[in-house]
Amino acid sequence: GAGVSQTPSNKVTEKGKYVELRCDPISGHTALYWYRQSLGQGPEFLIYFQGTGAADDSGLPNDRFFAVRPEGSVSTLKIQRTERGDSAVYLCASSPTTGTQPQHFGDGTRLSIL
Amino acid sequence: SQQGEEDPQALSIQEGENATMNCSYKTSINNLQWYRQNSGRGLVHLILIRSNEREKHSGRLRVTLDTSKKSSSLLITASRAADTASYFCATDWGGSEKLVFGKGTKLTVNP
Repeated sequence: GAGVSQTPSNKVTEKGKYVELRCDPISGHTALYWYRQSLGQGPEFLIYFQGTGAADDSGLPNDRFFAVRPEGSVSTLKIQRTERGDSAVYLCASSPTTGTQPQHFGDGTRLSIL
Repeated sequence: SQQGEEDPQALSIQEGENATMNCSYKTSINNLQWYRQNSGRGLVHLILIRSNEREKHSGRLRVTLDTSKKSSSLLITASRAADTASYFCATDWGGSEKLVFGKGTKLTVNP
């Protein structure tokens, strides 16, 4: 596809469960970013990858959150022991390289923890 | 924590009018970007202005940057109903790779 693809678009689960959110970036983009957006707020940075490695994970709120990008393309954001406060829209973005340039966003995964 | 603060938080105008949104930030930056977000969708990049630039145009958009005041403005001229969306400014925090967003301005353009 032409754009960043995120699946699922919606995820509803119970507190305490494990969830995985997938991001398929634009083909050839080496930089991949995860953000979290709460209602009425701007996106907040979580982590970014340059290739396969996490170059900056300073935005991950705690050790229940983890992200991987094993082959330098698709990335998975993993959340263990989910809490109601994890409910938000999780956005993924990619760019051709790192550095000063626009980021291309997917439509996000809306995560609801009951 | 969020770097930028946009104002106003919400703006309602009539089609054909101009819309001006402002953004303030706290740290030094290499560049500032503006994004648009339609309800339930991801963000779409509008324009990027570098710290050594003072003004930039793209179609009906005009962006200014004042690094001495740590502020930027986005002007949309001759607005259309399709411009209805939330608009966010984003900065590279101290030149880092991550973008730091403000809370956004929700623009409503009434037909």
